[in-house]
Amino acid sequence: GQSLEQPSEVTAVEGAIVQINCTYQTSGFYGLSWYQQHDGGAPTFLSYNGLDGLEETGRFSSFLSRSDSYGYLLLQELQMKDSASYFCAAFFTGGGNKLTFGTGTQLKVEL
Amino acid sequence: DTAVSQTPKYLVTQMGNDKSIKCEQNLGHDTMYWYKQDSKKFLKIMFSYNNKELIINETVPNRFSPKSPDKAHLNLHINSLELGDSAVYFCASLPLAGVEETQYFGPGTRLLVL
Repeated sequence: GQSLEQPSEVTAVEGAIVQINCTYQTSGFYGLSWYQQHDGGAPTFLSYNGLDGLEETGRFSSFLSRSDSYGYLLLQELQMKDSASYFCAAFFTGGGNKLTFGTGTQLKVEL
Repeated sequence: DTAVSQTPKYLVTQMGNDKSIKCEQNLGHDTMYWYKQDSKKFLKIMFSYNNKELIINETVPNRFSPKSPDKAHLNLHINSLELGDSAVYFCASLPLAGVEETQYFGPGTRLLVL
């Protein structure tokens, strides 16, 4: 099957660093994306890892380890506006350009 | 200059009614999708069209019928609405170029069936 698992909730304080993990089933896995969704909004793309290693985009970084079937999103210098849901998502070969989304992580940033 | 637009944004209707949601993208993308997001925020793909051709149909009840009149439009018609159809429906588009390309989502249609 094709599934991605994430923690349901993470809470952190403003200015801190938080890591949101994503584990996936390997069959046909192609690459890992991350999306942010604020309440009432649409998912918006944050980053993509096609190769193992770290991709950095400003305060956000994303990591992939294919050997461990694992990735994470790292958010630094947390701000209140980072409170949102975060989804990992993956393409699987043979899926016809189908992006399968993880279970989602609700991030709450507190003062 | 909205990239992916959907209408209506909100839809409240009675059980048993038939309704349609429309989606348009001005990005020149080849592939468009419909997703359903339930109350637990789980995003599940329903359909995918590539240049007006249906390529993914994810075990959706046949009360749901997508239609793509051209590659910039993908509409969703729902017959005999049920309470369980209440959800947020997102349209998205993707260039065919490669899987690393980001999917662009519309603002969503919030459907409430009473």
